[in-house]
Amino acid sequence: AQKITQTQPGMFVQEKEAVTLDCTYDTSDPSYGLFWYKQPSSGEMIFLIYQGSYDQQNATEGRYSLNFQKARKSANLVISASQLGDSAMYFCAMRGLDSSYKLIFGSGTRLLVRP
Amino acid sequence: ETGVTQTPRHLVMGMTNKKSLKCEQHLGHNAMYWYKQSAKKPLELMFVYSLEERVENNSVPSRFSPECPNSSHLFLHLHTLQPEDSALYLCASSQDRTANTGELFFGEGSRLTVL
Repeated sequence: AQKITQTQPGMFVQEKEAVTLDCTYDTSDPSYGLFWYKQPSSGEMIFLIYQGSYDQQNATEGRYSLNFQKARKSANLVISASQLGDSAMYFCAMRGLDSSYKLIFGSGTRLLVRP
Repeated sequence: ETGVTQTPRHLVMGMTNKKSLKCEQHLGHNAMYWYKQSAKKPLELMFVYSLEERVENNSVPSRFSPECPNSSHLFLHLHTLQPEDSALYLCASSQDRTANTGELFFGEGSRLTVL
């Protein structure tokens, strides 16, 4: 069985500072993908970044980077230079090789960026 | 305009009503999904369609009935719902359901309230 755990229900960060959102996962699949999504108040889930389990480098997309530690089964999202528009819910998700269409989500972290 | 459009955005219905949620994707994808997002719970996968064929039904009650007439449209027919079915229903699409790297593109959701 696959499981995603996000232990931070809410986080605050000062504008222009960096913030790390935690995500740990559990899977028996030898190959899997890890995703982060942002959900603003409008409701739409916006894809941010992807990390494959066999990728040698940590994924980066603009101000987003994924701190992937395979041995610890963690895939933390780092947002650098926070902006007010970053205030939203953030979800970590995983898809395994044997259940390729099942994207399993964590419970989410609400991030509030203070001016 | 987003790549995935959901209507209506808000729906209030009684337990004896019959209504439908509609999803349309303009991305040329061949897989479509329904997810349910309840308060304080992770997103739950309900149904998956690939090339208009249902490939996943995650033990969803029969009062929810999906329909996928073509690869661009997905419906969720609702009848005799319960108040606990009140939630945000998110539609998503992806290019290829078998690809680990294939992220999902979500609509803004339909907020359903059952009285």
